[in-house]
Amino acid sequence: EVQLVESGGGLVQPGGSLRLSCAASGFTFSTYWMYWVRQAPGKGLLWVSRINTDGSSTNYADYVKGRFTISRDNAKNTLYLQMNSLRGEDTAVYYCASGAGRAVAGDYWGQGTLVTVSS
Amino acid sequence: QTVVTQEPSLTVSPGGTVTLTCASSTGAVTSGYYPNWFQQKPGQAPRALIYSTSNKHSWTPARFSGSLLGGKAALTLSGVQPEDEAEYYCLLYYGGPWVFGGGTKLTVL
Repeated sequence: EVQLVESGGGLVQPGGSLRLSCAASGFTFSTYWMYWVRQAPGKGLLWVSRINTDGSSTNYADYVKGRFTISRDNAKNTLYLQMNSLRGEDTAVYYCASGAGRAVAGDYWGQGTLVTVSS
Repeated sequence: QTVVTQEPSLTVSPGGTVTLTCASSTGAVTSGYYPNWFQQKPGQAPRALIYSTSNKHSWTPARFSGSLLGGKAALTLSGVQPEDEAEYYCLLYYGGPWVFGGGTKLTVL
């Protein structure tokens, strides 16, 4: 059974940092592209970032570029999102998702972890 | 800034057919945008339905189909069931980043 389990969310002050993790199991993690998607309370989905299978290529949405860093550890079957200089508008549930190929942007999804940026 | 536009809301009767569309501010949506479609119900994570315009996942019910229609990506539900009431999102590829549409709230009434 495919499982993606996010962790690391919580309450952080504006300007602070947080690192999210996504533990993968039930599939060959190293052969999948991986994604982060967020959803502010009551709002729609927003694409955040993606990383290719070996971590050599990454992409970011403009609203997180320069502040967030996506990475992966294929030996640990884990995806990460380092979030720095956090703002109130970053408050959201953060989902990790897998992609079986370049054209598949989220076949399996985790249940999400809530990040709240507030003083 | 790239904007992907979906109908904010649609209503369909049980057993009916409805088409949701997904337009890009950059012009016509083609297969190169690899349109993906997702369903999300309240309190749940999104669930993938369609990838690369028209390909179904193994779990996608047969009543869901994807296509390109009039310069937009389209998701058609045929023989709508009450459990299809949900928010539907499209996702388009822009040569690096991807962009979600704002979502369509589908009501089955």
